[in-house]
Amino acid sequence: AQSVAQPEDQVNVAEGNPLTVKCTYSVSGNPYLFWYVQYPNRGLQFLLKYITGDNLVKGSYGFEAEFNKSQTSFHLKKPSALVSDSALYFCAVRDMGVTGGGNKLTFGTGTQLKVEL
Amino acid sequence: EAQVTQNPRYLITVTGKKLTVTCSQNMNHEYMSWYRQDPGLGLRQIYYSMNVEVTDKGDVPEGYKVSRKEKRNFPLILESPSPNQTSLYFCASRNLVDTQYFGPGTRLTVL
Repeated sequence: AQSVAQPEDQVNVAEGNPLTVKCTYSVSGNPYLFWYVQYPNRGLQFLLKYITGDNLVKGSYGFEAEFNKSQTSFHLKKPSALVSDSALYFCAVRDMGVTGGGNKLTFGTGTQLKVEL
Repeated sequence: EAQVTQNPRYLITVTGKKLTVTCSQNMNHEYMSWYRQDPGLGLRQIYYSMNVEVTDKGDVPEGYKVSRKEKRNFPLILESPSPNQTSLYFCASRNLVDTQYFGPGTRLTVL
């Protein structure tokens, strides 16, 4: 069964410093990978996705993520964090190797990012 | 504006009183899903629908029903709500390989 792990419940970083939010996944076939962000009292907003092609994916608000097949990881990164980046971040995977797998999106438990001045 | 709408946004009810949370999308998406979000558990899929009259169970379907009579609407029905269904619920829609769009959420409290 497909699964996603976000090993850190919270990540703290100073404004202006680079940030990384970790995500590893497990699938039987090829993965479609996604990052979403949730601000307080709001729904989830799409940040970026990896379907195929270049392993480095660029998304909204200056975020990027690197797909690493050998390590089954899809870590979210940003070169210079902003206080406004503080939010809850979710990694998600869709397993395209199973029948009907494209219908199921499995989320990690979320990582709270806190960016401080 | 492309969007997914949910109603109500907040609901407090009592055990056993049937309720429906509506969901509507204006993007002509085929796929729609319902999720619940609980602290420490992330989002878990309740039900999904691949098109009109085609629905299937997600990871946590017990205690819920859905229907898809029209492409744009995907209501979530709790026939007999219980306190363990107190949660934050999200509806979402997407096309086959497209990004998933989420509604604003419905915060349900069952007393």
